[in-house]
Amino acid sequence: KQEVTQIPAALSVPEGENLVLNCSFTDSAIYNLQWFRQDPGKGLTSLLLIQSSQREQTSGRLNASLDKSSGRSTLYIAASQPGDSATYLCAVYYSGYALNFGKGTSLLVTP
Amino acid sequence: DAGVIQSPRHEVTEMGQEVTLRCKPISGHDYLFWYRQTMMRGLELLIYFNNNVPIDDSGMPEDRFSAKMPNASFSTLKIQPSEPRDSAVYFCASSPRTRRAGELFFGEGSRLTVL
Repeated sequence: KQEVTQIPAALSVPEGENLVLNCSFTDSAIYNLQWFRQDPGKGLTSLLLIQSSQREQTSGRLNASLDKSSGRSTLYIAASQPGDSATYLCAVYYSGYALNFGKGTSLLVTP
Repeated sequence: DAGVIQSPRHEVTEMGQEVTLRCKPISGHDYLFWYRQTMMRGLELLIYFNNNVPIDDSGMPEDRFSAKMPNASFSTLKIQPSEPRDSAVYFCASSPRTRRAGELFFGEGSRLTVL
């Protein structure tokens, strides 16, 4: 079974810092990789979807990269803001139409 | 669009009772997924449907769990009888027709507490 690991599990940074969240997966035969944001008590909001033929996607201050050969993806957040505080989850489509999720990185951006 | 709609948002019940969770996917989406989220195990896929047909139910923990999708705009997840270890947040998600490029859209979840 595809295992998805996210490091670190929790992260606290001061406002304005650039930061990187990591996601690794065990099987490189993936279709897509998707990054989500989850606020406390809420559902998941899709941030970026990277297809297997792509190496990165950008949306505003967010940039996600994908390296299938090494089984890794990173989410880069530029100039972090307190409103970025949330849990960030990485999910991998690896067969059929199934999504395997990591357990997430809980981010706190302090003013 | 109203997004994926789930009900109830919160459910507290006693062990042994039947629980039914409901989901209305985004109109036009052909795929519907049920996930369960706990602190220990994170998000786990329970079952998914394509065009109302169950495709993969290998994540359903045991026979106490069942899911149906009688039409394109409604699905239920039923637990009978419920147990305290079923306490979790249950999410429904839907996705459009395009399989490989499809994004997943989640509902707000149903938080279940079984006493």
